[in-house]
Amino acid sequence: DSGVTQTPKHLITATGQRVTLRCSPRSGDLSVYWYQQSLDQGLQFLIQYYNGEERAKGNILERFSAQQFPDLHSELNLSSLELGDSALYFCASSVGTSGTYNEQFFGPGTRLTVL
Amino acid sequence: GQQLNQSPQSMFIQEGEDVSMNCTSSSIFNTWLWYKQDPGEGPVLLIALYKAGELTSNGRLTAQFGITRKDSFLNISASIPSDVGIYFCAGQPLYNQGGKLIFGQGTELSVKP
Repeated sequence: DSGVTQTPKHLITATGQRVTLRCSPRSGDLSVYWYQQSLDQGLQFLIQYYNGEERAKGNILERFSAQQFPDLHSELNLSSLELGDSALYFCASSVGTSGTYNEQFFGPGTRLTVL
Repeated sequence: GQQLNQSPQSMFIQEGEDVSMNCTSSSIFNTWLWYKQDPGEGPVLLIALYKAGELTSNGRLTAQFGITRKDSFLNISASIPSDVGIYFCAGQPLYNQGGKLIFGQGTELSVKP
């Protein structure tokens, strides 16, 4: 158990819908990262928050957004869903952003299926 | 964008054999991490490397941070059936915004008892 929790475990929805994925980081970690894992793209970085502020952005679609709340939990919002958004979405957390403080621990993931 | 080339893509070995896999990059990294992922689970951190030339062990696993800072390898000695899974290298680019990690494509390891 990494200490990172994600809900829900599975999500099945239809095209055009909007969903919210939730992540709670390990106790003491200030950084939260979101990654997407699909069969053809591997693990792709989406976005990072550090202590409530956006710190880095990857190739995140405009239909996707995220935020980190004062209690440090984070939510990833996916809207206008398309079939191609079906993937595993992982949250990871770390103490900081560099060196040993950037050892990222991953949650169990949310499997999103868009029908 | 930045990419990591991880090889081999898959390996089929006999229990007890040693395994080696590596990652190379076109740019310099200041951190290398190795993860293992089981089906349907999140990646689990195995080894972290922070200095060029650093060699670190974790039980039967040994990893090294290449001198050029553009590569890393992972060795598993005396493999056992529970070593089965997908192994990923990940690196933090030198000139990085935030803590973003770049991941390799993974090496799928199968161990025959």
